[in-house]
Amino acid sequence: AQKITQTQPGMFVQEKEAVTLDCTYDTSDPSYGLFWYKQPSSGEMIFLIYQGSYDQQNATEGRYSLNFQKARKSANLVISASQLGDSAMYFCAMREGSNFGNEKLTFGTGTRLTIIP
Amino acid sequence: NAGVMQNPRHLVRRRGQEARLRCSPMKGHSHVYWYRQLPEEGLKFMVYLQKENIIDESGMPKERFSAEFPKEGPSILRIQQVVRGDSAAYFCASSPLQAVAYEQYFGPGTRLTVT
Repeated sequence: AQKITQTQPGMFVQEKEAVTLDCTYDTSDPSYGLFWYKQPSSGEMIFLIYQGSYDQQNATEGRYSLNFQKARKSANLVISASQLGDSAMYFCAMREGSNFGNEKLTFGTGTRLTIIP
Repeated sequence: NAGVMQNPRHLVRRRGQEARLRCSPMKGHSHVYWYRQLPEEGLKFMVYLQKENIIDESGMPKERFSAEFPKEGPSILRIQQVVRGDSAAYFCASSPLQAVAYEQYFGPGTRLTVT
């Protein structure tokens, strides 16, 4: 079974609209972390936001927020007021275990987001 | 504080040659991870190393691939007798010994092309 599932291969969104990128995960470990990375056409991996499994509140970082629904095993990324520079591939990833920071990440297949002017 | 550095950024090899990819972790980081990204796919874990130790190599192909992180110097991912299927982007990430949960920083990647 896939550990990280991103069901939207591509999305087109009008500039200034909000966008939600879907991510569901599968783990039996009670301690885990969920990440979102942005990969622009230049290829680097840019860390956006992190949510720990024990965090009570949804993570937010500027225009990014993570809609964490633990019971549904869902960790959707919400980008508010989208900008042309948001056009990129977006990857959801998970770390399992409690050795904080020092476990491998498992990535989804990504969503290609295109912002339309 | 310089970020994770990888070199070369682009590497072209003919089939059968060896590829050596280098990763210098962030200052103070003692853990290194290598990931591979095939075209149009997500990143896949290959190996996790600490200084002079391989901690987890469950994602490494059994043959032709090896990795090291010596006491001094960068981490090296070595691919012997490359084949066209090895063409991919190879990313290195690093984290410190006592990491906060999200502290795994990625380098810019090395794009390997096998002709």
